[in-house]
Amino acid sequence: KNEVEQSPQNLTAQEGEFITINCSYSVGISALHWLQQHPGGGIVSLFMLSSGKKKHGRLIATINIQEKHSSLHITASHPRDSAVYICALAAGNKLTFGGGTRVLVKP
Amino acid sequence: GAGVSQTPSNKVTEKGKYVELRCDPISGHTALYWYRQSLGQGPEFLIYFQGTGAADDSGLPNDRFFAVRPEGSVSTLKIQRTERGDSAVYLCASSLMQGSYNEQFFGPGTRLTVL
Repeated sequence: KNEVEQSPQNLTAQEGEFITINCSYSVGISALHWLQQHPGGGIVSLFMLSSGKKKHGRLIATINIQEKHSSLHITASHPRDSAVYICALAAGNKLTFGGGTRVLVKP
Repeated sequence: GAGVSQTPSNKVTEKGKYVELRCDPISGHTALYWYRQSLGQGPEFLIYFQGTGAADDSGLPNDRFFAVRPEGSVSTLKIQRTERGDSAVYLCASSLMQGSYNEQFFGPGTRLTVL
C-alpha cells in the first residue's frame, strides 16, 4: 500500500462547480503540501499545512492529523484551474508525493 | 535569477549513453532536491543536498545515478549507461533551508528520453 493515496485520480467539472480532492496517508508527518502542476509546466506550491485549515483566494485546504487525511477544495471553479493537483507528505527533509488528481474544468 | 532553472529542457539520448542534467537553484537557497516523475505519476524523491553535501541519497535507484553540488549552488545529476526505463521528467527544487516546514520551489524540469 502506498504511503499516500489521492482520490479521485481524474475529475471533470463544469465551470462554477465546487471541487474536492482528497489525500489520505498512513505515516507520521511533519507537514503536508498541496501542489499544482499545469500540463508541460512546473510545479507550484499552493499550501503547506500542519494543522487546521488554510485559505487562499478560491482554494481551501484542510488537514486532520488524527485521521491522517487532507482535502483541497476549489470554490467557483474556472477552466484555468485545470491542472494536476498533488499532495505531498513532508517528513524530515524530503517529500513523498501522491499520484496526483487530474482536474479538468469545462467552460 | 527569479526562480529555479534547469537545463536542458529536453534531452534525447541513446541507450547506454551518459547524460548530465543541470539545476540552478534560487540564489541563497541552501537545500536542493532532485525528483523524478514518470508519465502519469507523482514525483519520486532521488537525492537531497544541504549545502555541498548529499544529506540523503536514498532515492537514487542504482549506482548509475550520481549527483554533485560542488560549490553549494548549482547541482548536476549524472546518469551513466542510460536505460529506456530512465526516461522521465527530472525535477529540481530548492528551499531556503532544510526541513519539512520550508516551501520548496520547483524548476520546470528536464524531460529525458532514452531511445
